[in-house]
Amino acid sequence: QLQLQESGPGLVKPSETLSLSCTVSGYSITTRTFHWGWIRQPPGKGLEYIGGLYYSGSTYYSPSLKSRLSMSLDASENQFSLRLSSVTAADTAVYYCICSTFRSGNGVDVWGQGTTVTVSS
Amino acid sequence: QSELTQPPSVSGAPGQRVTIPCTGSSSNIGAGYDVHWYQQLPGTAPKLLIYDNNNRPSGVPDRFSASKSGTSASLAITGLQAEDEADYYCQSYESSLSGHVVFGGGTRLTVL
Repeated sequence: QLQLQESGPGLVKPSETLSLSCTVSGYSITTRTFHWGWIRQPPGKGLEYIGGLYYSGSTYYSPSLKSRLSMSLDASENQFSLRLSSVTAADTAVYYCICSTFRSGNGVDVWGQGTTVTVSS
Repeated sequence: QSELTQPPSVSGAPGQRVTIPCTGSSSNIGAGYDVHWYQQLPGTAPKLLIYDNNNRPSGVPDRFSASKSGTSASLAITGLQAEDEADYYCQSYESSLSGHVVFGGGTRLTVL
């Protein structure tokens, strides 16, 4: 069974870079048909798709975050990661790593439990 | 401001039927993109409830159903139960953003 677990600092200073990792268990991250990604949820607000990638290297970044965003895969650690630079308080959110396995159409069928990131000095 | 519009809240008594609309436009739902629905119970990660407009993943009760027509979609819950109290989100794709994923703002369902 595919499971995801986020990790990373819970507190980031304004203007610094937010870095999160997602450890994958139950499947190899090299599974070419799976879409790995990130979704965030600011406190008391709705969901925002940040971006995603395939093992092939194809990436899909939110147009509003693209200039500050990078994502990568690490097959040796069976992880994928997110880096968001020049953060502000508006980046405070619960960050979920996600996977679309396409066993349930194009929906996001696997979610991590989420990790809270606060941007504050 | 979301490209997909949902009412902030809906409510219903146990056993009743409720619907949650998701209104889009010709650049998302109306462009033929699929709609998915997620349920987020308090304090937990969202869960896929409906995929590709009207399909239920294994384990989702048939009390949950959804439809899509034109530029809108709708989630229906029949036989409302206390454990259905949650936030519900629709999701589709936006052609003006190169097919990027977009979510509705979410609807809080209260079971009276």
